[in-house]
Amino acid sequence: DAGVIQSPRHEVTEMGQEVTLRCKPISGHNSLFWYRQTMMRGLELLIYFNNNVPIDDSGMPEDRFSAKMPNASFSTLKIQPSEPRDSAVYFCASSLAGGRWNEQFFGPGTRLTVL
Amino acid sequence: GQQVMQIPQYQHVQEGEDFTTYCNSSTTLSNIQWYKQRPGGHPVFLIQLVKSGEVKKQKRLTFQFGEAKKNSSLHITATQTTDVGTYFCAGRDSNNAGNMLTFGGGTRLMVKP
Repeated sequence: DAGVIQSPRHEVTEMGQEVTLRCKPISGHNSLFWYRQTMMRGLELLIYFNNNVPIDDSGMPEDRFSAKMPNASFSTLKIQPSEPRDSAVYFCASSLAGGRWNEQFFGPGTRLTVL
Repeated sequence: GQQVMQIPQYQHVQEGEDFTTYCNSSTTLSNIQWYKQRPGGHPVFLIQLVKSGEVKKQKRLTFQFGEAKKNSSLHITATQTTDVGTYFCAGRDSNNAGNMLTFGGGTRLMVKP
């Protein structure tokens, strides 16, 4: 298995632009998580889906952030409009609820820089 | 909501010295997981502890889960340069039926050769 796939790996954009981050979870996994990591705030859970349904989005910073999971093999995190304080590494992770360990498998992350 | 705290935030050690990071949850956990993130990398699952007082070993790494299932520790014996990275604990609240983990802030380990 290729593991969790994220694209793009790096994104540099200007303030006010729309940014879309993409994630393909591990095939067969039924839970998907979006995290944001910064030096100041550490690893923050933004939203998680179970069976493609958003379960907890309390970590989404504000209305500028939205996430979708149209099917079991694809999810997007959109920021519109982007701001410099959104600069961070965004990780997508997937897991199999009910599996032996229930551990989360993280993708390589997208490093976002908003100028 | 549930909070998971880790100490210390940073630790510098000389190669060969031991290292310990501590994790404390504000709520009772059903289980706790540990992850390691190498510099520039992504968190990678190390282990899961489920039972009260459980101790597990992986070579030079020893993981413990507290009796009250609210705290945990990771101890590395005789650190090596390959141990460099940030170690995160992540707890699953016993009252949370979902699949969510709450990550601690991490302990960044630096090893001087």
